[in-house]
Amino acid sequence: QVQLVQSGAEVKKPGASVKVSCKASGYTFTSYDINWVRQATGQGLEWMGWMNPNSGNTGYAQKFQGRVTMTRDTAISTAYMELSSLRSEDTAVYYCARTIVNTGVFDPWGQGTLVTVSS
Amino acid sequence: QAVLTQPSSLSASPGASASLTCTLRSDINVATYWIYWYQQKPGSPPQYLLNYRSDSDKQQGSGVPSRFSGSKDGSANAGILLISGLQSEDEADYYCMIWHSSTWVFGGGTKLTVL
Repeated sequence: QVQLVQSGAEVKKPGASVKVSCKASGYTFTSYDINWVRQATGQGLEWMGWMNPNSGNTGYAQKFQGRVTMTRDTAISTAYMELSSLRSEDTAVYYCARTIVNTGVFDPWGQGTLVTVSS
Repeated sequence: QAVLTQPSSLSASPGASASLTCTLRSDINVATYWIYWYQQKPGSPPQYLLNYRSDSDKQQGSGVPSRFSGSKDGSANAGILLISGLQSEDEADYYCMIWHSSTWVFGGGTKLTVL
């Protein structure tokens, strides 16, 4: 079955970087985009950006421009999201989602990765 | 003003219908947008429900019951998620989403309580 499995929880200090992985299985990795969305505790969903695993093309939300980098390793069907210069406000659950190209059909989603930023 | 506005909460009785609204900012015309809807239950990632642009342009997520449907209210400049025959398992947070200015934008979400 189609599945996205994300890496485990992380605790980082302010100013550090975090890299979250999202391993895809059950479909052709390069045939769908990957979007990243985060959710702070008790808050709503916030879109961070997208990546096309075939071309490597990316698009980032303006809020994260300069701080986020989305990459992939097609050999192991894995997408990555790296966020730098972390601050406490970045504490959230980070999700990856498979996306039909040129649509907003995010399906399925990974299980989520909790990133905690604390000194 | 937010791009998408959703009521923070809504309550309805089992068996009844619930209409969840997603109001677009006044300078954005709902008529031309695909509206996507997601359901999120506590402790779980969101799940895709459906997307709607018009009665002839819509998609239902795989396995999503037909009790869930989309529509628009042009006079209110809003997208609507209608859930009929409410069941206790429908209790969840619901988010709408659109593509606007090269960005995916989520509404703030509506917490639906079935009681």
